[in-house]
Amino acid sequence: TQLLEQSPQFLSIQEGENLTVYCNSSSVFSSLQWYRQEPGEGPVLLVTVVTGGEVKKLKRLTFQFGDARKDSSLHITAAQPGDTGLYLCAGVRTNAGKSTFGDGTTLTVKP
Amino acid sequence: GAVVSQHPSWVICKSGTSVKIECRSLDFQATTMFWYRQFPKQSLMLMATSNEGSKATYEQGVEKDKFLINHASLTLSTLTVTSAHPEDSSFYICSASSWNTGGMGSPLHFGNGTRLTVT
Repeated sequence: TQLLEQSPQFLSIQEGENLTVYCNSSSVFSSLQWYRQEPGEGPVLLVTVVTGGEVKKLKRLTFQFGDARKDSSLHITAAQPGDTGLYLCAGVRTNAGKSTFGDGTTLTVKP
Repeated sequence: GAVVSQHPSWVICKSGTSVKIECRSLDFQATTMFWYRQFPKQSLMLMATSNEGSKATYEQGVEKDKFLINHASLTLSTLTVTSAHPEDSSFYICSASSWNTGGMGSPLHFGNGTRLTVT
């Protein structure tokens, strides 16, 4: 059983559309990160959320951490081709010592 | 920001040879580094947790004798793929955490990965 369920796995949209990626778990996380990865490179951190109910915005990206700290979402407004990539959520459970990664969402934004 | 350097970025080797991949934290001390394997369009699969000065902790199903990890200093961890075979071909990524300074909520900083091709 995957600890962090990420959906959808693949998403192909037109430039200008909005989208939401979800990251769900039955476990509580002390923090959760979202990363974006381009082919042939390592993941790059987008945001860290640590407080239940927290909402963070990064330009056209909005990140939300669930009240119970078991789930998170990433919403992109007016997607652009430059947003294309693999989006990964990763949660850290208290005293776990390591991050647990979701399955990833491959986003393709067509011009 | 924290920078992690991974070397080499790509390597091609013959079956049966060994390959060493280095992961360095350039501007912070990392007591813990992680090694992942990634297949195309898939998420990261944690292979092992590397702790400075102690033995690495391997995930279930990862062969310790095949994937040798050494974390000799607070800024360097190495992964050696021994007696490589074509099925070991993959994208290997390391990450380091500044948890020792920033707490458990601190994010991971990733290297740019190593593309290993075994012929």
